[in-house]
Amino acid sequence: DTGVSQNPRHKITKRGQNVTFRCDPISEHNRLYWYRQTLGQGPEFLTYFQNEAQLEKSRLLSDRFSAERPKGSFSTLEIQRTEQGDSAMYLCASSFRAVPDTQYFGPGTRLTVL
Amino acid sequence: DQQVKQNSPSLSVQEGRISILNCDYTNSMFDYFLWYKKYPAEGPTFLISISSIKDKNEDGRFTVFLNKSAKHLSLHIVPSQPGDSAVYFCAALDAGKSTFGDGTTLTVKP
Repeated sequence: DTGVSQNPRHKITKRGQNVTFRCDPISEHNRLYWYRQTLGQGPEFLTYFQNEAQLEKSRLLSDRFSAERPKGSFSTLEIQRTEQGDSAMYLCASSFRAVPDTQYFGPGTRLTVL
Repeated sequence: DQQVKQNSPSLSVQEGRISILNCDYTNSMFDYFLWYKKYPAEGPTFLISISSIKDKNEDGRFTVFLNKSAKHLSLHIVPSQPGDSAVYFCAALDAGKSTFGDGTTLTVKP
């Protein structure tokens, strides 16, 4: 196992289009997180799953964003009707519900909305 | 309102000297604090953590200090090496949710 993987690494889309990103966590990890990061800022929490259950969703997350983790393994993050403000790096992380909850991050998907 | 702040966007130190990165927080409910390091084109990687009931944790060249009364923590790297050049993020945990600072870019000069 080589760690958390994310696909695609880069995505360029036109405003109004839908995009979907995939995250494959470390296999024995039961927690999976999505973050958004813009230039000069730290990762901003979007949502997290424990197994297949989505336990928390940021209030900042608009209803154009949806995430799933159908079998408690990989996860997808979909953005509908993309806007230029959605341009950012989208990071996925996984953890094993340890104390503290040390998260292992993937390399991210960079989204550019034209 | 930003709950975790790293007020220094950048820090430059000479190889072999001490690097001190600082982080301030406002939420007294945070129960763990973590430091992550990030290289370009990679995701953050975990470096070291500290529980809110402790005031110091050490791991090799890295030591984290926590001052709860001041709501302040710091990461000390000694001796600093050129390979330590990266962006360092402070993160705080509350009921499983992580809040990150905006990072400090450390440059260690040979």
